[in-house]
Amino acid sequence: EDKVVQSPLSLVVHEGDTVTLNCSYEVTNFRSLLWYKQEKKAPTFLFMLTSSGIEKKSGRLSSILDKKELFSILNITATQTGDSAIYLCAVEAMSGGGADGLTFGKGTHLIIQP
Amino acid sequence: NAGVTQTPKFQVLKTGQSMTLQCAQDMNHNSMYWYRQDPGMGLRLIYYSASEGTTDKGEVPNGYNVSRLNKREFSLRLESAAPSQTSVYFCASSRAYEKLFFGSGTQLSVL
Repeated sequence: EDKVVQSPLSLVVHEGDTVTLNCSYEVTNFRSLLWYKQEKKAPTFLFMLTSSGIEKKSGRLSSILDKKELFSILNITATQTGDSAIYLCAVEAMSGGGADGLTFGKGTHLIIQP
Repeated sequence: NAGVTQTPKFQVLKTGQSMTLQCAQDMNHNSMYWYRQDPGMGLRLIYYSASEGTTDKGEVPNGYNVSRLNKREFSLRLESAAPSQTSVYFCASSRAYEKLFFGSGTQLSVL
């Protein structure tokens, strides 16, 4: 059974701090790891990582994947109150059909205090 | 640019009642999914459809049925609702091996 573990489950920091969110996984026939941000409703896509060691970056957010150690981190620098959200990590396995869905972790609830 | 549209947004049922959650996507995606999200549990896959005409069980299928009506539409049915099915339900769609796009969710309470 595929498994995704995120840590910490919740985190409170002050505006301007840098945060690192962790995601470890166990999956048969790993294909990709994805990060989503969930504010009030639907999760919105941040990054997809398929190759080890390559950093994906978008503004103040960045993520890297370690396929050997089976984990990923999501970094947010110079945090703002708008970064407050639940951050979800998910993994996708390779399958014949190509569409078995993602296995999600429980999420990290990040709160940025002014 | 509607993306993934779910209806209804909110629903309250009594135990034993039935209902169908509707989902439609306009991105010409082959794959569609139904997830439920409970506090502290993350998103769990209920059913998915890799392509029109096929459906498969996910992690938590008990108590649910699905229909892939055509390429655009994928519905989720609760035949006899139970309090344990109180949750937020998300529909999603994707191309194979690409990111999922999510609908805005349905908040369901079963009393």
